[in-house]
Amino acid sequence: DVKVTQSSRYLVKRTGEKVFLECVQDMDHENMFWYRQDPGLGLRLIYFSYDVKMKEKGDIPEGYSVSREKKERFSLILESASTNQTSMYLCASTPGGNNEKLFFGSGTQLSVL
Amino acid sequence: AQSVTQLGSHVSVSEGALVLLRCNYSSSVPPYLFWYVQYPNQGLQLLLKYTTGATLVKGINGFEAEFKKSETSFHLTKPSAHMSDAAEYFCAVRLYSGYSTLTFGKGTMLLVSP
Repeated sequence: DVKVTQSSRYLVKRTGEKVFLECVQDMDHENMFWYRQDPGLGLRLIYFSYDVKMKEKGDIPEGYSVSREKKERFSLILESASTNQTSMYLCASTPGGNNEKLFFGSGTQLSVL
Repeated sequence: AQSVTQLGSHVSVSEGALVLLRCNYSSSVPPYLFWYVQYPNQGLQLLLKYTTGATLVKGINGFEAEFKKSETSFHLTKPSAHMSDAAEYFCAVRLYSGYSTLTFGKGTMLLVSP
């Protein structure tokens, strides 16, 4: 089975801190995605990547950046965390050329105080 | 641009009753349509998908959905609810052509009572 692992299940940070959320997949998938999930808003795409060192903005990239130095790892970076970035963050991956079946991690619940 | 609208943020049914979760889409081209399910404290998993061909698609755990182009709908149904079906369900759309990403609806929480 495909496994998408997010490094932390819960994370508490302070306003202004630089935050790294890590995601690793073990199935050699080309495509990786970061979503945030908020009650009543569903999932919103932050950034995605179709290849190493490649990144594309999603619907809500403001306040975030990403890094993909290796194929299996996709990091989401909050340069200066703010309280409105308190949310559940979900990482997902798919094989190349196929964005139909997303494989999701279990999520990281980030609280910014 | 593409979008999906899920009617009802919460749906309550009794165990054994019909489950109906509504999804309408907007797309400028023929869409690919999906239903994902999220159980508590887990990521989302694919329930079923419509790409081309038969408009009635069957998924896991007894769920099915019918693509109705004239109504721009892709409602999810299950004849008899089980307690284990309690979860949040997300409808999603992707453009038929091109290398595009999924756009998710806001989700519907399904509550199942004994």
